[in-house]
Amino acid sequence: EDQVTQSPEALRLQEGESSSLNCSYTVSGLRGLFWYRQDPGKGPEFLFTLYSAGEEKEKERLKATLTKKESFLHITAPKPEDSATYLCAVPLGASGGSYIPTFGRGTSLIVHP
Amino acid sequence: SQTIHQWPATLVQPVGSPLSLECTVEGTSNPNLYWYRQAAGRGLQLLFYSVGIGQISSEVPQNLSASRPQDRQFILSSKKLLLSDSGFYLCAWSRGAVDEKLFFGSGTQLSVL
Repeated sequence: EDQVTQSPEALRLQEGESSSLNCSYTVSGLRGLFWYRQDPGKGPEFLFTLYSAGEEKEKERLKATLTKKESFLHITAPKPEDSATYLCAVPLGASGGSYIPTFGRGTSLIVHP
Repeated sequence: SQTIHQWPATLVQPVGSPLSLECTVEGTSNPNLYWYRQAAGRGLQLLFYSVGIGQISSEVPQNLSASRPQDRQFILSSKKLLLSDSGFYLCAWSRGAVDEKLFFGSGTQLSVL
């Protein structure tokens, strides 16, 4: 069965303490893996799209990488403003031949000053 | 540029009352439209999606319904709300291709009491 799993559920870091978030997926024929950031009480905002194993993308302190089974979101020297929930999503097949963006449960990141 | 509007931001409704949430998109044509629900501490659950006017697909059986009366308007409704309908409702749009990112509205926090 196709699915998307994120770990850990929650992560607390000290400012400057680098770490990684994981998104593992089981799907035949990946059609892109998406990372989003969600602040409390707001809609998610797009960060990155990765399409093929070995691909990397960076934005400020964030770098996303992709393998054949999982993606990592690396956070280097995080700041308190990086605190948010990070969501990954993969288009999964639905009825009628459509592909639906399907989300993991997210990782709630808190960065302490 | 494209914008998405979702309202209301907050709603408190008694059990058994009707519901209508509205979402409109500006600056694009023939978008794919989505309704997601996010329960506390959980990921985004897809409720409905639409690839065109009058075309609605449901992913989860429930007492909710959706309609797309115009190209850029998506409405989520219920005739009688249940306690379990409480949650954070998000509207989103994407361009037609399966590997396109989602753009989210600001969300509606619904509390059914």
